Amino acid sequence: EAAVTQSPRSKVAVTGGKVTLSCHQTNNHDYMYWYRQDTGHGLRLIHYSYVADSTEKGDIPDGYKASRPSQENFSLILELASLSQTAVYFCASSSGVQDTQYFGPGTRLLVL
Amino acid sequence: GDSVTQTEGLVTLTEGLPVMLNCTYQTIYSNPFLFWYVQHLNESPRLLLKSFTDNKRTEHQGFHATLHKSSSSFHLQKSSAQLSDSALYYCALSGWNYAQGLTFGLGTRVSVFP
Repeated sequence: EAAVTQSPRSKVAVTGGKVTLSCHQTNNHDYMYWYRQDTGHGLRLIHYSYVADSTEKGDIPDGYKASRPSQENFSLILELASLSQTAVYFCASSSGVQDTQYFGPGTRLLVL
Repeated sequence: GDSVTQTEGLVTLTEGLPVMLNCTYQTIYSNPFLFWYVQHLNESPRLLLKSFTDNKRTEHQGFHATLHKSSSSFHLQKSSAQLSDSALYYCALSGWNYAQGLTFGLGTRVSVFP
């Protein structure tokens, strides 16, 4: 079974603060993704990466940065957290673009 | 761009009755991959089944779906719902923008009652 872990599992942040969400996979997958989940919006892609040291913008990248320092690790950075970024964030990995994506357990972020 | 439309909102049904969740998609890509993911409460989404073959039935864990390119559909069905089927179901597409991974629908929540 593929293994994707996320940290922290939950976080409370203040408006304007910096937040870093981390993702680690042991699947030897090249592709990694960050999604946010909101009621009524489903899963929306924020950033993705297909190789270390390179990231790409997804459908809703504004207000987010990503970093892929190694094949195993993929971070999502909120430089100036805002109330609208309160959501559940999922990291996922896959071996290929059309292959099954394996999701991490999610991070519940509350921005106050 | 690519898009996925699912049965909206909440579907409630009685245990033992059949389940059908609609999924239609739009893409200019001639060889799309379609997926159904299931997410139980307080869990993460996981793959339920997937297909890229036109008109071939795909089955897993009692659920089945058939990709019909002629109607751009990939409906999910089960003959007899169980209480444990209560979950959020996502239909997803890998289409022309396949380098970006999957395009998800908004999800359909299923609640099964005794």
